[in-house]
Amino acid sequence: DTEVTQTPKHLVMGMTNKKSLKCEQHMGHRAMYWYKQKAKKPPELMFVYSYEKLSINESVPSRFSPECPNSSLLNLHLHALQPEDSALYLCASSHSWTANTEAFFGQGTRLTVV
Amino acid sequence: AQSVTQLDSHVSVSEGTPVLLRCNYSSSYSPSLFWYVQHPNKGLQLLLKYTSAATLVKGINGFEAEFKKSETSFHLTKPSAHMSDAAEYFCVVSVRRSNDYKLSFGAGTTVTVRA
Repeated sequence: DTEVTQTPKHLVMGMTNKKSLKCEQHMGHRAMYWYKQKAKKPPELMFVYSYEKLSINESVPSRFSPECPNSSLLNLHLHALQPEDSALYLCASSHSWTANTEAFFGQGTRLTVV
Repeated sequence: AQSVTQLDSHVSVSEGTPVLLRCNYSSSYSPSLFWYVQHPNKGLQLLLKYTSAATLVKGINGFEAEFKKSETSFHLTKPSAHMSDAAEYFCVVSVRRSNDYKLSFGAGTTVTVRA
């Protein structure tokens, strides 16, 4: 299994809603990532988890709350989002968090905030 | 600081002709470099990576890239384009910071393939 699976594929939420994005991998990877990608732009790193511990928070607003329940799962909890948060949210994983290790990406969740 | 510059924002080729996507990098260290492809409304797929082994790197789907330290380049090529190659391509360098690493993405090159 070489896949990173993200659910849901599409999500529309109001600014007062609470929702969660889910990501799962069964490759035994110990590093997992959340990226945000706006249209026609490259992905931007949000969070890095290494061995289930939050290792990087790229100054992301607190309305985004990551969680890593175990080595296979990564969640992104959303609350009180703004329309400008609409984007493609990509989850990725890698064998370890080192410089020469490639990341495997999921298909993404297309989020629309209304 | 480590970064990548993709020299072409858009490349258009005819089916069956060669594809060249240009990428220059800057790095204080021996870099790890990657090329990823993203088809519309999809995630990113790794095409190939360079990690200080052979300078000519072969990837999936007939793509290859050559690492040239003297030119600080890592250009991606394919001898014969296929319609399915139409996508966004990202050149990526692994950036070493004081205590950690992150992937630094180029701005991307959009490839269109004409029949």
